[in-house]
Amino acid sequence: RKEVEQDPGPFNVPEGATVAFNCTYSNSASQSFFWYRQDCRKEPKLLMSVYSSGNEDGRFTAQLNRASQYISLLIRDSKLSDSATYLCVVNDYKLSFGAGTTVTVRA
Amino acid sequence: DAMVIQNPRYQVTQFGKPVTLSCSQTLNHNVMYWYQQKSSQAPKLLFHYYDKDFNNEADTPDNFQSRRPNTSFCFLDIRSPGLGDAAMYLCATSGGTAYEQYFGPGTRLTVT
Repeated sequence: RKEVEQDPGPFNVPEGATVAFNCTYSNSASQSFFWYRQDCRKEPKLLMSVYSSGNEDGRFTAQLNRASQYISLLIRDSKLSDSATYLCVVNDYKLSFGAGTTVTVRA
Repeated sequence: DAMVIQNPRYQVTQFGKPVTLSCSQTLNHNVMYWYQQKSSQAPKLLFHYYDKDFNNEADTPDNFQSRRPNTSFCFLDIRSPGLGDAAMYLCATSGGTAYEQYFGPGTRLTVT
């Protein structure tokens, strides 16, 4: 079983829609969690850290469910510029990356 | 202002010809990482330095070596590149191994 698993998508959504996707992790002792965004042929960029109580940053909301060992990302009011691959990252002494979920927002 | 800088951005090398990729940072972070990323795959950690302490991943081929002469710089040496080593190589830094990482723009390596 992979340490971090994501639905690769793609999620194709119209502008203004809400899109949400999950990431599961295998190590119950994992301590910290992140969502990164990666544009085509560019480096990953930190989108947000995920706190145990869940957190929100503008149109983006991240949630952590330790019992079921998954984290989620929700994007509200999608913009064309949100089109990217979203990487789930889990820290268990080192960062483990998921392969990413691709989101495409269409006009 | 660039915080993690990688040079060159694009590198073409011949099969078997040694190549060195460089990374520098202005964040004064303790930890520097090298990742290999192939198309549609997750970044794969090759190794990391915590200060001068080198940590190699178990499945990193011997063909890959690294040097960190000081806090700011880290190098990735590929001694005999094969066609399978063509990839994006990402350098990242963090204040500690439990913290978020900041990536450089990457070096895209082509092996001919």
